Amino acid sequence: NAGVTQTPKFRVLKTGQSMTLLCAQDMNHEYMYWYRQDPGMGLRLIHYSVGEGTTAKGEVPDGYNVSRLKKQNFLLGLESAAPSQTSVYFCASSSGRTGFNEQYFGPGTRLTVT
Amino acid sequence: RKEVEQDPGPFNVPEGATVAFNCTYSNSASQSFFWYRQDCRKEPKLLMSVYSSGNEDGRFTAQLNRASQYISLLIRDSKLSDSATYLCVVNVWNGLTFGKGTHLIIQP
Repeated sequence: NAGVTQTPKFRVLKTGQSMTLLCAQDMNHEYMYWYRQDPGMGLRLIHYSVGEGTTAKGEVPDGYNVSRLKKQNFLLGLESAAPSQTSVYFCASSSGRTGFNEQYFGPGTRLTVT
Repeated sequence: RKEVEQDPGPFNVPEGATVAFNCTYSNSASQSFFWYRQDCRKEPKLLMSVYSSGNEDGRFTAQLNRASQYISLLIRDSKLSDSATYLCVVNVWNGLTFGKGTHLIIQP
């Protein structure tokens, strides 16, 4: 039981390049989330999903897109990376209603945009 | 007023001492509260949920004061392994809002 996994672990992008971050969970959780964590800012919610085929915007969605084609996977896309998107990205999942159930986090992806 | 506020620290505490953190939240409609722990360069992990009646888990005690809108975490007999950042987490609108964290350093 791997829990929540994220790929890649590290990535360096040039401004304007695109990439997709993959999150996978094997706990059969309905809810999945993408956060970014910046020094002095805490964790901020980018997008989330309440089930397969659904997505919704979080606190800081601009510049990102997401897809949840399969229940176990949640993809985060950056279409045209900017230096302001340099951050650590965490994926999380939970079994029940968002905000009321424990969220399990992946190990994070460290992204640098130059 | 920020939604969830914490003293960033660092709190430097000798091993074996008792340490307490507070966290304030702005939305009186918040319904669920948690403490998460985050080790350096690692993901956050749930430490404990915070219930209205307060709850205790070994050396850790969490309390909620709805009237004053704050939650607290007390760590007794602190261990070197307690060194970490402690995140206060509150259900605000349609999900969880994380505080910026309090950095705790336990010194031998």
